[in-house]
Amino acid sequence: AQSVTQLGSHVSVSEGALVLLRCNYSSSVPPYLFWYVQYPNQGLQLLLKYTTGATLVKGINGFEAEFKKSETSFHLTKPSAHMSDAAEYFCAVSHFTGNQFYFGTGTSLTVIP
Amino acid sequence: GAVVSQHPSRVICKSGTSVKIECRSLDFQATTMFWYRQFPKQSLMLMATSNEGSKATYEQGVEKDKFLINHASLTLSTLTVTSAHPEDSSFYICSAVHSGEETQYFGPGTRLLVL
Repeated sequence: AQSVTQLGSHVSVSEGALVLLRCNYSSSVPPYLFWYVQYPNQGLQLLLKYTTGATLVKGINGFEAEFKKSETSFHLTKPSAHMSDAAEYFCAVSHFTGNQFYFGTGTSLTVIP
Repeated sequence: GAVVSQHPSRVICKSGTSVKIECRSLDFQATTMFWYRQFPKQSLMLMATSNEGSKATYEQGVEKDKFLINHASLTLSTLTVTSAHPEDSSFYICSAVHSGEETQYFGPGTRLLVL
């Protein structure tokens, strides 16, 4: 069975501080891993993804994530938070091209001025 | 590239009426589309997987006669909420996958309010 756990449903950081959003997964086969961001009343926007190759992936808006197989983790980071980063973040895993996603429960990021 | 649109973005209807929501992939052909429902402050709940030219596959607990899905072309899937009731009020989001790819591209969502 596949599942995704996002530790911390709410994370608050100060503007300019490091952002760390945690994602752990369980999977019996090599996963495809994704991070999406959702702003209020909008759909999901792809931040970054890992499929194969380099385990450190860079995405849009200065975000990056590292796939750590030994830790079954795919944590999202950004060195310096910006007010515009305040949103809901979802981690997702899938296994085959075109296959369904398994989403985490989401993490709401608040950026304090 | 990889833009997905939904129409309408917001709809208010009376109880007992039917509502159709369209999901279009604007610049690519989507062999598979997914329909999700999202409650406030919660994650996305997969309702069904829609493959072009075939019947949709519904998740357990989702009534296929109430949520009719049609994927008539490689760029269009529709979700019809039949005989809508207030408990169907929600945010409905679709996503589309390009043939041979692993990434789902999401539409902006449709807010349904049933009075």
